[in-house]
Amino acid sequence: AQSVTQLDSQVPVFEEAPVELRCNYSSSVSVYLFWYVQYPNQGLQLLLKYLSGSTLVESINGFEAEFNKSQTSFHLRKPSVHISDTAEYFCAVSEPGAGSYQLTFGKGTKLSVIP
Amino acid sequence: DVKVTQSSRYLVKRTGEKVFLECVQDMDHENMFWYRQDPGLGLRLIYFSYDVKMKEKGDIPEGYSVSREKKERFSLILESASTNQTSMYLCASRVGLAGGTDTQYFGPGTRLTVL
Repeated sequence: AQSVTQLDSQVPVFEEAPVELRCNYSSSVSVYLFWYVQYPNQGLQLLLKYLSGSTLVESINGFEAEFNKSQTSFHLRKPSVHISDTAEYFCAVSEPGAGSYQLTFGKGTKLSVIP
Repeated sequence: DVKVTQSSRYLVKRTGEKVFLECVQDMDHENMFWYRQDPGLGLRLIYFSYDVKMKEKGDIPEGYSVSREKKERFSLILESASTNQTSMYLCASRVGLAGGTDTQYFGPGTRLTVL
């Protein structure tokens, strides 16, 4: 069974500083990896995903994540955060296959950007 | 844009009441999901439906049932609400591509309090 570990439950960071949110997964097979973001009082929305190909994937608002198969990691980074990035971030994994209906989520990391 | 709506943002019920949470999506998606979100536990899958009248248990189905009579609507039912079902409930839908590469789209959530 697959599982996802987000090592930090809360990450405070000053505005314009860089940030890394860590995600490790356990799976014996190839996986698809996702980062979702939940802004206050909203549902989740997709930030970016890795399916295949280039191991570095980017979002439209400056986040990027790198798939590292040897370390089974998919860490999320941003070189300079804004106040509007304050949110909870969830890493998720699914396994390829015809019956792969489910996403397995990590417990989330709350990013607080301090002015 | 895909839109997933949930019938209530906030709901207060008494122990023992039967509770219905409704979810509607407007993009003809095959798959629909119900999650509950609790602080420190992330998202946990309650039930999902891969087609009309088809359902599968998720990780925590006890105390819940679901109904999907029409493609666009997926209902979560608490037969006899209990205080430990106080939580945020999130509905999601996705196209349903084989292999699980497609994005899940989430509703805004229903915060249920059981007194």
